[in-house]
Amino acid sequence: DAGITQSPRHKVTETGTPVTLRCHQTENHRYMYWYRQDPGHGLRLIHYSYGVKDTDKGEVSDGYSVSRSKTEDFLLTLESATSSQTSVYFCATTSTGGPAKNIQYFGAGTRLSVL
Amino acid sequence: TQLLEQSPQFLSIQEGENLTVYCNSSSVFSSLQWYRQEPGEGPVLLVTVVTGGEVKKLKRLTFQFGDARKDSSLHITAAQTGDTGLYLCAGVGNAGNMLTFGGGTRLMVKP
Repeated sequence: DAGITQSPRHKVTETGTPVTLRCHQTENHRYMYWYRQDPGHGLRLIHYSYGVKDTDKGEVSDGYSVSRSKTEDFLLTLESATSSQTSVYFCATTSTGGPAKNIQYFGAGTRLSVL
Repeated sequence: TQLLEQSPQFLSIQEGENLTVYCNSSSVFSSLQWYRQEPGEGPVLLVTVVTGGEVKKLKRLTFQFGDARKDSSLHITAAQTGDTGLYLCAGVGNAGNMLTFGGGTRLMVKP
């Protein structure tokens, strides 16, 4: 299994406060992703990264920003949290070659509640 | 935007019954993946189907990719309580590194 660690695992915050979620991988995978999971919506892509300092928006990027200063770390920031951002957030990585190509490996998720 | 519709959303069955989950799209995908997710964990890949018409078996699970590569199905024979979980299909785009996920099917198998 790919070593993907998300922190924190649970967070409760108040509307209007900034929140940063961290994803750390030990597999040296080039691609990293942030998804949110809500009932009935499956997984929706927020942002992704295809290398250090190379990021792009997904389908639900409004209100979120990301940064990737090292291959192993991908940060997701909610600049000013809103109740609509209450969700479970998953980080994933993928290899671009070899037998594991195109397989996404997921962290255990961060459950965020915005009150 | 490529969309994947999964059905049913919820399924509650008795142990020993058979079931089929469907994943449909109007778009063509280069391949399609099925993931299983247990509570408190991230999704884990079960299988990737690549060729139109392909059938793959994983013990009691049978996965099929439609001839036109727009749809897929997952059939479970003689379900067990350990099959309980959320099943997600995901279409792989031409670039290979972007997935489009279906809404998921939550399966509960009762003893």
